[in-house]
Amino acid sequence: AQSVSQHNHHVILSEAASLELGCNYSYGGTVNLFWYVQYPGQHLQLLLKYFSGDPLVKGIKGFEAEFIKSKFSFNLRKPSVQWSDTAEYFCAVMDAGSARQLTFGSGTQLTVLP
Amino acid sequence: DSGVTQTPKHLITATGQRVTLRCSPRSGDLSVYWYQQSLDQGLQFLIHYYNGEERAKGNILERFSAQQFPDLHSELNLSSLELGDSALYFCASTEGPSGNTIYFGEGSWLTVV
Repeated sequence: AQSVSQHNHHVILSEAASLELGCNYSYGGTVNLFWYVQYPGQHLQLLLKYFSGDPLVKGIKGFEAEFIKSKFSFNLRKPSVQWSDTAEYFCAVMDAGSARQLTFGSGTQLTVLP
Repeated sequence: DSGVTQTPKHLITATGQRVTLRCSPRSGDLSVYWYQQSLDQGLQFLIHYYNGEERAKGNILERFSAQQFPDLHSELNLSSLELGDSALYFCASTEGPSGNTIYFGEGSWLTVV
């Protein structure tokens, strides 16, 4: 079974600071990787995804993530955060086989101080 | 707007009762997923349907059941409700049985009192 670990439960940054949120997964096969964001009181929105190819993927709102296969990691980054980035961020893994089950990490709450 | 529609948005009910949550997937999507989000359990996969048939089951209790109808909408039935069932229930959809990107609805907030 696949699992996802997000090591940072709560991150507090000032505006313009750089962001890196860690995500590690465990699964023996081929995976598709995702980052979702959940703004307060809203649904999950897809930030970015990795299926194959260039391990550095760019998403919406200036976010990017790098897939490092040898480390089973898919860390989320943003060079300069804004107050509006305050939200909860979820890393998720989907097995690329037939089950297609999306497994989420426990989430990281990001608070950006103005 | 993801295109996935869920009703009701909020629901308050008493312990022991039964509720039905409804989901309409994005136009053209054949796969529907149900997830439960609670403070202590995080985001838990419940069940996946494709074109009316159950594809995969996750951490879904026996008191819960789901189905997908011919028009592709889905319903999640929660019975003999307990306080611990209070959570946000998300529906999500994707295009095929093996669609790569899953889009989420706004969720149904269930409060059991």
